[in-house]
Amino acid sequence: SYELTQPPSVSVSPGQTARITCSGDALPKKYAYWYQQKSGQAPVLVIYEDSKRPSGIPERFSGSSSGTMATLTISGAQVEDEADYYCYSTDSSGNPWVFGGGTKLTVL
Amino acid sequence: EVQLVESGGGLIQPGGSLRLSCAASGFTVSSNYMSWVRQAPGKGLEWVSVIYGGGSTDYADSVKGRFTISRDYSKNTLYLQMNSLRAEDTAVYYCARVRYSSSQYYFDYWGQGTLVTVSS
Repeated sequence: SYELTQPPSVSVSPGQTARITCSGDALPKKYAYWYQQKSGQAPVLVIYEDSKRPSGIPERFSGSSSGTMATLTISGAQVEDEADYYCYSTDSSGNPWVFGGGTKLTVL
Repeated sequence: EVQLVESGGGLIQPGGSLRLSCAASGFTVSSNYMSWVRQAPGKGLEWVSVIYGGGSTDYADSVKGRFTISRDYSKNTLYLQMNSLRAEDTAVYYCARVRYSSSQYYFDYWGQGTLVTVSS
């Protein structure tokens, strides 16, 4: 089955730039989506179609994709950005519903 | 404003059944694709099931034949009937609205989740 691979953890100091990667063989042809999940809360969509930001999501959140890797960037990370982040996409055959394993972002 | 509120979770013995509900507001369930996604304690997100606008359904292999997704137009509510429950079904279950854009599906709104614990 198709897999999206994320680093288990990323750590930055407040104000620094956090980058979370997601690798998958189908990403050159499929969009990546990113979800933020704070402790005890439901996931929230923060980036869709590689780089689009839903309304209400701060501008410090951005996304990009190149080749087999998509990247979520948080510019000037804040303490309240501490959360688990999941990438999501579709495999090359068009089968959806694939999540990455998640990355725990620590900001301290 | 879009809102999704799940209910129906609880403690259930292995082999038992449970029905989860997801009450929606701010949009019409029957006109949208809707899904259930679960998260085992300390684990990542796992897609469970989807119901498309026309009523067709699909399931993860891990629940196929045991779970049934459905919706009620009059109550604007999504359901998940779970039968033959196993310990590995223990998880927080989220309902989510599904969007289809640029030939891909994704989840744009999520409920707060309901915890299902399967244990004797």
